[in-house]
Amino acid sequence: NAGVMQNPRHLVRRRGQEARLRCSPMKGHSHVYWYRQLPEEGLKFMVYLQKENIIDESGMPKERFSAEFPKEGPSILRIQQVVRGDSAAYFCASSPQGRADTEAFFGQGTRLTVV
Amino acid sequence: RKEVEQDPGPFNVPEGATVAFNCTYSNSASQSFFWYRQDCRKEPKLLMSVYSSGNEDGRFTAQLNRASQYISLLIRDSKLSDSATYLCVVALTNAGKSTFGDGTTLTVKP
Repeated sequence: NAGVMQNPRHLVRRRGQEARLRCSPMKGHSHVYWYRQLPEEGLKFMVYLQKENIIDESGMPKERFSAEFPKEGPSILRIQQVVRGDSAAYFCASSPQGRADTEAFFGQGTRLTVV
Repeated sequence: RKEVEQDPGPFNVPEGATVAFNCTYSNSASQSFFWYRQDCRKEPKLLMSVYSSGNEDGRFTAQLNRASQYISLLIRDSKLSDSATYLCVVALTNAGKSTFGDGTTLTVKP
């Protein structure tokens, strides 16, 4: 039973390009969460999605960032026109239910570097 | 004020030492509490849940004080392999998201 799969593990983008981060949840999990971890900081919640629905995007920057979790395929976190400040580790987590009292399983993260 | 605040650290202790971390939270309606462990900026992994009556798992003891809105993690007989960053996590039970503290770094030395 594969865990949460994120790809790519490392992504380098020039300023102004687009970054697309993918997350496949654990089998049987229909709830996905994206977190961002800036260097020397903790994890910050970005967005919570179920299949085809955004449930909570209170942590998402208002511009350039979007997320989706289609009926088929992985969840995608998309960052348009990247800037140096977007450089961070982006972690995806999944859980079988949309409740925070159950364990969330994390992927290994995508490390985005903007040059 | 941050929703979840942890001891700033870092904690540097010798093997065999007992070390305690505290974490305070601001939302009195919070109902779910966890400690996660993160190694070298890898993915966080659940260490233990924290229950109202307190709970123990081997060398690790977690406690919750609702009145003062803090949780604690006690590690006894520290091992080199305990070196990691410990993240305090707080959530509303019926909410999807959890709030993570910034973490406390522990280094156990021989």
